[in-house]
Amino acid sequence: GEDVEQSLFLSVREGDSSVINCTYTDSSSTYLYWYKQEPGAGLQLLTYIFSNMDMKQDQRLTVLLNKKDKHLSLRIADTQTGDSAIYFCAERRSGNTGKLIFGQGTTLQVKP
Amino acid sequence: SQTIHQWPATLVQPVGSPLSLECTVEGTSNPNLYWYRQAAGRGLQLLFYSIGIGQISSEVPQNLSASRPQDRQFILSSKKLLLSDSGFYLCAWTSTGLAKNIQYFGAGTRLSVL
Repeated sequence: GEDVEQSLFLSVREGDSSVINCTYTDSSSTYLYWYKQEPGAGLQLLTYIFSNMDMKQDQRLTVLLNKKDKHLSLRIADTQTGDSAIYFCAERRSGNTGKLIFGQGTTLQVKP
Repeated sequence: SQTIHQWPATLVQPVGSPLSLECTVEGTSNPNLYWYRQAAGRGLQLLFYSIGIGQISSEVPQNLSASRPQDRQFILSSKKLLLSDSGFYLCAWTSTGLAKNIQYFGAGTRLSVL
């Protein structure tokens, strides 16, 4: 299909790890992204991964890419209440216009 | 450093009224520019993008139009708003240089059409 798919909701306890999953559509996508949106705000780029990589780690964030299954995940270690937000994955389709295709977003709820 | 500005932050408009949302980027030249809409509880839908002054590509048929009168200015317009135009509108830009794969977003405009 044409859609980038994400589960809509995830609830975790503070201090636990969170794993947000995403399935994208275009095997030729060059870059895949994770954005964070806090209430009423724009999107903040968290991290991104080039399609020839399997994993990228940046402090508490770990991105895993399974290109064969077109599956992307974001792991947040030691989740904090400030991590509560909507998380969007996005793929950059091939071509030079830079268009991104976004998933519907996963709402992460962190309980104290 | 580069920054992106959108205004207004919030707008309440009656059905049938015109619309003009503005987005400007500072600290870069010849960016690619994008308008997205986020309906309540939904993901982002790309509405328009522009790779240069006067060049506008529309992604979906709709009641809206876009213009790029200057290199770093992107405007979203409507002659007559519909109820279905309500949503959160986000402007974004990418560099056409080495960082061209990173898309940065403005703070958004929340539009309510009543």
